Amino acid sequence: RKEVEQDPGPFNVPEGATVAFNCTYSNSASQSFFWYRQDCRKEPKLLMSVYSSGNEDGRFTAQLNRASQYISLLIRDSKLSDSATYLCVGGPPTSGTYKYIFGTGTRLKVLA
Amino acid sequence: EPEVTQTPSHQVTQMGQEVILRCVPISNHLYFYWYRQILGQKVEFLVSFYNNEISEKSEIFDDQFSVERPDGSNFTLKIRSTKLEDSAMYFCASGQGIGAFFGQGTRLTVV
Repeated sequence: RKEVEQDPGPFNVPEGATVAFNCTYSNSASQSFFWYRQDCRKEPKLLMSVYSSGNEDGRFTAQLNRASQYISLLIRDSKLSDSATYLCVGGPPTSGTYKYIFGTGTRLKVLA
Repeated sequence: EPEVTQTPSHQVTQMGQEVILRCVPISNHLYFYWYRQILGQKVEFLVSFYNNEISEKSEIFDDQFSVERPDGSNFTLKIRSTKLEDSAMYFCASGQGIGAFFGQGTRLTVV
């Protein structure tokens, strides 16, 4: 089983829509999680950290469910500029590892 | 805003040649990483570096690869005897423990 799994999409949504991405992870010792955004042929950019209590940054809300080993990202009022690939990432400490483990990413296209 | 910088942005090399990819991490960061991304595929971990030594490496990071922090600011990835399958985008990243911040990448093309 892959360490971090995501639905690759693409998710095609109209502007203004609300869209949710999910991610599951296999290593129950993972302690930190993140969402990154990657535009085509660019570097991954840190979008937000994910906490069990949930956290919100403007139109973006992230949630972690440790019992289910499940991470979510909700984007409200989608903009054309939100079109990108969203990467779910498990971070250290992960059983003593020093690495960030990336999912394959979920592609989002926001349509005018 | 501080950022990770990588040079060159694009490198074309002949199979069997050695290449050195360079990175300047964010100055107060302690953890450094190299990742690669083959076109259309996921971001793959290569190696992490902390306290002037490798802290972890993946199966990809074999004897062909090495990393160095030669002068306290630069962080390099050397690939000896490049192969066609080494063609990819190579990303350097640095962090302080809460997320890693990536450079813009070096696109390596082995011909």
